[in-house]
Amino acid sequence: AQSVTQLGSHVSVSEGALVLLRCNYSSSVPPYLFWYVQYPNQGLQLLLKYTSAATLVKGINGFEAEFKKSETSFHLTKPSAHMSDAAEYFCAVSGDQAGTALIFGKGTTLSVSS
Amino acid sequence: GAVVSQHPSRVICKSGTSVKIECRSLDFQATTMFWYRQFPKQSLMLMATSNEGSKATYEQGVEKDKFLINHASLTLSTLTVTSAHPEDSSFYICSARTPPGQGRSGTGYTFGSGTRLTVV
Repeated sequence: AQSVTQLGSHVSVSEGALVLLRCNYSSSVPPYLFWYVQYPNQGLQLLLKYTSAATLVKGINGFEAEFKKSETSFHLTKPSAHMSDAAEYFCAVSGDQAGTALIFGKGTTLSVSS
Repeated sequence: GAVVSQHPSRVICKSGTSVKIECRSLDFQATTMFWYRQFPKQSLMLMATSNEGSKATYEQGVEKDKFLINHASLTLSTLTVTSAHPEDSSFYICSARTPPGQGRSGTGYTFGSGTRLTVV
């Protein structure tokens, strides 16, 4: 069975500050890990993914995440927040088998103040 | 790159009627399609997994007679909400596993844009 836990349902930062969104996973098989962003009333947009290659993954819009097996973590970071980063962020996990679904965390709402 | 087209994007229906949501993979074959439901300010919950040519596998607590899933071809999966009630109002999203090398989502998942269902 696989699951992800997102620590903090709501994170608030100032514009220009570091963004850190936490995600811990549980998986009985080598995991694939993903971060998605969702803006209000829209679908999901892939930020980045880890699929057993480099442990430091760079994504779109300046986001990156590091896979740490020893800590079972895949935290999302961005050095400098922008107002347009305000959205809902989801961490998700799947197995490497073709028929396995993505399992999502509960999400973290990121607020950015000026 | 890989695209999943989901229709309709929004639908309002009367209580007791049925609504069909379609998801088509436009440039790849989707052997497996996943269906999710998202209530306001909540996460995506997996409802069912559909495999082309076979019966869907439903998650615990999801009524298979209410949420009918058909995956008749490698490019089309449908979700029909039967006898809809206001509590079925939600955001429904489909997803397919993307083949390696297909755009940004290669070896990942491609999502439809979602369907906002409102039952009145």
